[in-house]
Amino acid sequence: SQQGEEDPQALSIQEGENATMNCSYKTSINNLQWYRQNSGRGLVHLILIRSNEREKHSGRLRVTLDTSKKSSSLLITASRAADTASYFCAPAQRVQGAQKLVFGQGTRLTINP
Amino acid sequence: KAGVTQTPRYLIKTRGQQVTLSCSPISGHRSVSWYQQTPGQGLQFLFEYFSETQRNKGNFPGRFSGRQFSNSRSEMNVSTLELGDSALYLCASSLGQGASGNTIYFGEGSWLTVV
Repeated sequence: SQQGEEDPQALSIQEGENATMNCSYKTSINNLQWYRQNSGRGLVHLILIRSNEREKHSGRLRVTLDTSKKSSSLLITASRAADTASYFCAPAQRVQGAQKLVFGQGTRLTINP
Repeated sequence: KAGVTQTPRYLIKTRGQQVTLSCSPISGHRSVSWYQQTPGQGLQFLFEYFSETQRNKGNFPGRFSGRQFSNSRSEMNVSTLELGDSALYLCASSLGQGASGNTIYFGEGSWLTVV
């Protein structure tokens, strides 16, 4: 079963607005990684947040992690047309003794000019 | 520093054939993982190799196999191709084994179409 579940499945906003995407997971994690995927391309790593961290920033990106609620969020501020992509959260889950990333279906973000 | 490199980027195969995909990890990375991405199933973990040994395996049939060489480069093979194997195959690399504390970087993927 998929571990990271993103919400909403699709989000459409105007350029310049902020975009928030949420992620929930089911079991305890070591870390959680966020990725961006442009149509037909590979995954671009955005941020890794460890289970003992609550918030991380990278440029216009802000990621929070609430392990008590088993949830994370990705905030993109001052969105640009180039931010149009699918965004995935990937909790690192221990399966059969090994930590691996388990992906959800992602959030499809569209930035309208 | 070069990223994860996958070849070929696009390929078309016929049902029943086999295919081999190649992946060169980021220099210094010793772990290589493979994922399959389809519209219906999303991103699914295939397997992970570290120091030439398979360390972790997803729920895929034995037609899917892989290997890793001493220089950490990896190949995955799919035999007796089925239409449902049409997908984007993504390779990822990291310094250490597994996702524990390791940032995992992905390549651009290999688009496989089975006809």
